[in-house]
Amino acid sequence: AQTVTQSQPEMSVQEAETVTLSCTYDTSESNYYLFWYKQPPSRQMILVIRQEAYKQQNATENRFSVNFQKAAKSFSLKISDSQLGDTAMYFCAFIPQGAQKLVFGQGTRLTINP
Amino acid sequence: ETGVTQSPTHLIKTRGQQVTLRCSSQSGHNTVSWYQQALGQGPQFIFQYYREEENGRGNFPPRFSGLQFPNYSSELNVNALELDDSALYLCASSLDGAYSNQPQHFGDGTRLSIL
Repeated sequence: AQTVTQSQPEMSVQEAETVTLSCTYDTSESNYYLFWYKQPPSRQMILVIRQEAYKQQNATENRFSVNFQKAAKSFSLKISDSQLGDTAMYFCAFIPQGAQKLVFGQGTRLTINP
Repeated sequence: ETGVTQSPTHLIKTRGQQVTLRCSSQSGHNTVSWYQQALGQGPQFIFQYYREEENGRGNFPPRFSGLQFPNYSSELNVNALELDDSALYLCASSLDGAYSNQPQHFGDGTRLSIL
């Protein structure tokens, strides 16, 4: 079975600090894609960052970067210079190449305090 | 570029009733996936439609059914509603589904409450 585990149900940091959200996954597939989605109280699931498993270089999108460790099946998200608008639920998700469904973790509720 | 839109935003039904939820895909997208998100949980895959055909299904009973239309909009139908069907239903669209692995883009969801 393919599973995604987020071990931090809640995190809280001060504005401008750096925060890292953890994610591990389990799969026997060799080609797959990993994602971090953000879900603010408005409910919309917003794509934050995407990583292809065949790429060794870690993906970066402005203040958001990942640490992808394929052998350890780990995919953490680092948010630098955190802002109040980063407050949201963050979901790690995985999809094997050629598959239809995204497999999501349970989510981490991140609160950025002023 | 028009994003994914879902309607209605909120719906209240009673046990045993039937419900239809609607989704318009992002322009240029031909694939729609539906997910159920229970309170405090991550989304669970219901099924995917690609070019009007069901193209993959999760672990949901047959009373969950769907359609995709020629303009690639989609409906999710749920019959014989149960209390456990109370959830946020998310629609996501993408280009060429499993054949391209392009990211799925989500709508705002429909909050379904069963009394």
